[in-house]
Amino acid sequence: QQPVQSPQAVILREGEDAVINCSSSKALYSVHWYRQKHGEAPVFLMILLKGGEQKGHDKISASFNEKKQQSSLYLTASQLSYSGTYFCGTADVTGKLIFGQGTTLQVKP
Amino acid sequence: NAGVTQTPKFQVLKTGQSMTLQCAQDMNHEYMSWYRQDPGMGLRLIHYSVGAGITDQGEVPNGYNVSRSTTEDFPLRLLSAAPSQTSVYFCASSYSRTAMNTEAFFGQGTRLTVV
Repeated sequence: QQPVQSPQAVILREGEDAVINCSSSKALYSVHWYRQKHGEAPVFLMILLKGGEQKGHDKISASFNEKKQQSSLYLTASQLSYSGTYFCGTADVTGKLIFGQGTTLQVKP
Repeated sequence: NAGVTQTPKFQVLKTGQSMTLQCAQDMNHEYMSWYRQDPGMGLRLIHYSVGAGITDQGEVPNGYNVSRSTTEDFPLRLLSAAPSQTSVYFCASSYSRTAMNTEAFFGQGTRLTVV
């Protein structure tokens, strides 16, 4: 079953912050985050493993609450280059990676 | 290293035709998978493999077959193409035998249209 992402779409001005949420009904072993530009392949951002850790990558960070089977991606001081579609992927005990439906982020000047 | 290579990049098929989408990786990755991407549906898992000789179904396996005779290659076969299989197909691979704890590398995609 696909994880559920919210919101479906976000429009920001440069410098504003955004949060993208991802939730699953299954027990999770890890959560992945990817960004896809139009017409391109998804590109890996970060992976969070069981343990409730938080990771950061420049001004993009994420958290993983394994008890609630939820993850959030935080984009701070957004830049034009952050525009794209963000996907969360979840891996359960079977080891396969299932993606959500995506969140489209548009950053305007 | 070329990474994950998919061929062809574009393909038009007639309903009922069969074809094979090729995927090859040169990173010695154990885990390989196929996704289809449709507007508003995200990336949906078709089939995956945790190593040579081992394959399993994903979320939307109907109408597709796979095999994994070598570590490097993971072809996807459409036995009798239908318009509902019009989509963009992505192949992905990961180093470990599962996708749990290592990043997935994606190919550039194959845009398939079935008329």
